[in-house]
Amino acid sequence: AQKVTQAQTEISVVEKEDVTLDCVYETRDTTYYLFWYKQPPSGELVFLIRRNSFDEQNEISGRYSWNFQKSTSSFNFTITASQVVDSAVYFCAVNTGNQFYFGTGTSLTVIP
Amino acid sequence: DAGVTQSPTHLIKTRGQQVTLRCSPKSGHDTVSWYQQALGQGPQFIFQYYEEEERQRGNFPDRFSGHQFPNYSSELNVNALLLGDSALYLCASSGGTGPYEQYFGPGTRLTVT
Repeated sequence: AQKVTQAQTEISVVEKEDVTLDCVYETRDTTYYLFWYKQPPSGELVFLIRRNSFDEQNEISGRYSWNFQKSTSSFNFTITASQVVDSAVYFCAVNTGNQFYFGTGTSLTVIP
Repeated sequence: DAGVTQSPTHLIKTRGQQVTLRCSPKSGHDTVSWYQQALGQGPQFIFQYYEEEERQRGNFPDRFSGHQFPNYSSELNVNALLLGDSALYLCASSGGTGPYEQYFGPGTRLTVT
């Protein structure tokens, strides 16, 4: 069975601090895809990144970076120099067999 | 370029009633997926439509059914509503049934009383 665990329910940081959101996944499939989505208060999930199980290279996009470690089944997301606009709920998801399985999300509040 | 649109935005129904939610995919997308998101939870996959057929289904009862039209838009129908069906229903579209990034609509907030 597929499962995604986001142990951090809520995180608060002061603006300009760095913050890391943890994601641990479970799957028996050897081919799978990992995703991060952002859900602002408006409710619409926004795609951030996709990673396949064969590519363990870390990725950086502006203030965002992702660390994929297959050995620990983790796909963590770091925001550098956080901003108030980063406040949202962030979801990690795994796609196997063309189905998405989402975690329960981490609510991030960035305090000005 | 219009993104994914959903209607209505909010809906209040009584237990036992039936409801239909609608979704128009992003331009160029042919695959529509539906999710249920309960308060404080992550989206739960209901089903996916491609070429007017249900291609994948999550762990939801038969009370949940859907349809996809030739223009790729889709409907989600829920019969015999239960209080537990109260949730945000999200529609997502993608350019195929594979593990592609999905583009989500703003959702329909369904309240069952």
